[in-house]
Amino acid sequence: DTGVSQDPRHKITKRGQNVTFRCDPISEHNRLYWYRQTLGQGPEFLTYFQNEAQLEKSRLLSDRFSAERPKGSFSTLEIQRTEQGDSAMYLCASSLDTGSNEKLFFGSGTQLSVL
Amino acid sequence: AQSVSQHNHHVILSEAASLELGCNYSYGGTVNLFWYVQYPGQHLQLLLKYFSGDPLVKGIKGFEAEFIKSKFSFNLRKPSVQWSDTAEYFCAVRLSGGYQKVTFGTGTKLQVIP
Repeated sequence: DTGVSQDPRHKITKRGQNVTFRCDPISEHNRLYWYRQTLGQGPEFLTYFQNEAQLEKSRLLSDRFSAERPKGSFSTLEIQRTEQGDSAMYLCASSLDTGSNEKLFFGSGTQLSVL
Repeated sequence: AQSVSQHNHHVILSEAASLELGCNYSYGGTVNLFWYVQYPGQHLQLLLKYFSGDPLVKGIKGFEAEFIKSKFSFNLRKPSVQWSDTAEYFCAVRLSGGYQKVTFGTGTKLQVIP
């Protein structure tokens, strides 16, 4: 499978614990996005990378959220001291941004449940 | 900040009925516009996109969308829906040029009844 891979598919954790998700984009894609989606809502932008540079982080995100993309390849999203409100589907998407023809390819997501 | 509005949250149609899903965006500059679809149990995937040129854009599976700049709209249409079109549809916008993120609307759930 040469699509976007996310790991794990499901994560159940207790409130206050830290969690880390991984995303492996399509290999030649230079852009990588993280979105969060809750029931009945569209994907909500969290952050994105152009190669290894994190270009923007949503102002809605608290300091408990951090993302990295070392060497412009895979990315990790960490949530520290999880809260019940963090329960959601976390989506990763990648694209080859040519400046005029961007198409996002999404992974299956990581479903986080905070108890 | 850019935003996207989808006013129809849940649409139920019979097969062969015509479909139009509304999408409005809030930014007045040059934008790129998209419709993504999520079939039950599947990833989000691109249905069609508008970057420039002809404002009437044709996508996969007989879908089309029309960009009306004066109305800040990018409505999705299909003349005759099929049961297999049952899915959730998301409109998205990206400011044109440079390093810009893609912002999604809240989505419209389409249920097609055989």
